[in-house]
This record gives sequence, structure tokens and C-alpha cells, in this order.
Amino acid sequence: GAGVSQSPSNKVTEKGKDVELRCDPISGHTALYWYRQSLGQGLEFLIYFQGNSAPDKSGLPSDRFSAERTGGSVSTLTIQRTQQEDSAVYLCASSSSGGAFGNEQFFGPGTRLTVL
Amino acid sequence: DQQVKQNSPSLSVQEGRISILNCDYTNSMFDYFLWYKKYPAEGPTFLISISSIKDKNEDGRFTVFLNKSAKHLSLHIVPSQPGDSAVYFCAASAYDGNKLVFGAGTILRVKS
Repeated sequence: GAGVSQSPSNKVTEKGKDVELRCDPISGHTALYWYRQSLGQGLEFLIYFQGNSAPDKSGLPSDRFSAERTGGSVSTLTIQRTQQEDSAVYLCASSSSGGAFGNEQFFGPGTRLTVL
Repeated sequence: DQQVKQNSPSLSVQEGRISILNCDYTNSMFDYFLWYKKYPAEGPTFLISISSIKDKNEDGRFTVFLNKSAKHLSLHIVPSQPGDSAVYFCAASAYDGNKLVFGAGTILRVKS
């Protein structure tokens, strides 16, 4: 079966523009996560969706960042008024249920965002 | 404030030898630990995990050791193979959490 897919794979934008990053999780997975990896850093948690529960937005770095998950499946991460420090690889993951215990997160290939 | 630290940015090992990757954490609430492996242009893939009630978990060539008193875990790969060359991330989670906290990664190169 298909894994987690993300689009676009690469995005170059100008400072101040808005961008949308898309994630298609594995079919049937109820939990979806967004992370980002800046150069030389580990993965940084951004946001977590679990079923119909309110998302855990505790990792979003500023109010320029937002995410939606429509119909419990596809998710879109939106960054408004992009800044150069937003440049990173944005990774999406999904899992069959929430919680980390024995619950493997499957990652997509990521979207490399470059803000000029 | 790095809660999960991988102090070795890179490691080079001869094929057939043991690779040991280390990870330290500071948050005593962490009780579930994972290792992920990442190839270039791909997302991380889950490798092995351990819960805090254990001190060792083994899966084929991969063994993870957990020393809770030292807040330290390590991943042993034996024997190392060239295909193991990748970036290895250590990650941790608290019992009531679902977000993973990752280290910065260690680049492993296995030389043939």
C-alpha cells in the first residue's frame, strides 16, 4: 500500500509570501503529525491531529503557522508571510492511533522549503 | 533547551564491526524511546524502540540499551553493513504525550 505522501517535494518562495504544504497520510491512520527539520537540527514537533479531537498545536512556532486536516485524512500546513528562518524540511507522519507507546509513526519524504 | 542530545554528529565504522550510537536525555518524564533511520531525500523510518520498564530490546542486528539512572540510551548495530550508512535519530516521548522529541541525529558511515 501507499505510504505517506507530501507535496510539493520542493518549494522556493520569496520572503513575505504564503505557502501551503500538503500531506496525504496512510489510509486508515487516525493520527497525523507535522514536524520540521532545520539545517543541522533534529526534527521539531509542530502539530498533532488525532481523529476528531482538537489538534495539539503546542509546537507551532508562531501564529503565522496553521494546519488543517479535512475529513480526517489530508492535511495542509500553511505558513503566512514566510520568513527566511522558516526554511527547513517539513515532514508529515501518520500512525494508526495516537500516543507514542508501541505506535510507530510513518514519515513522508518531506517538503524542502526555501525562503529567499 | 535540547531535551534529547546526540553528541556525536558522525561515526565511521568498518563493515562487520559494531556501530554504537549514543543518546542522552534530560527530561525524566520521558519513558518511551525510539530510533529512526533516515536516508537522503527520504523520511525517517522506524528502527527499534524501548520502554522505560526495560533496559534492553533486541531486533536482529539492532539492540537498544537504556540506562535510566544515567538518562542514556544507545543503539548497537552488529555486524555493521554498508547499507546501514544513514542518519540515525534518537527520539523520546513522555507517557501521556504523543509528540516525539528528536535529537539532532548522527551520520553513520559504514566502510566496506
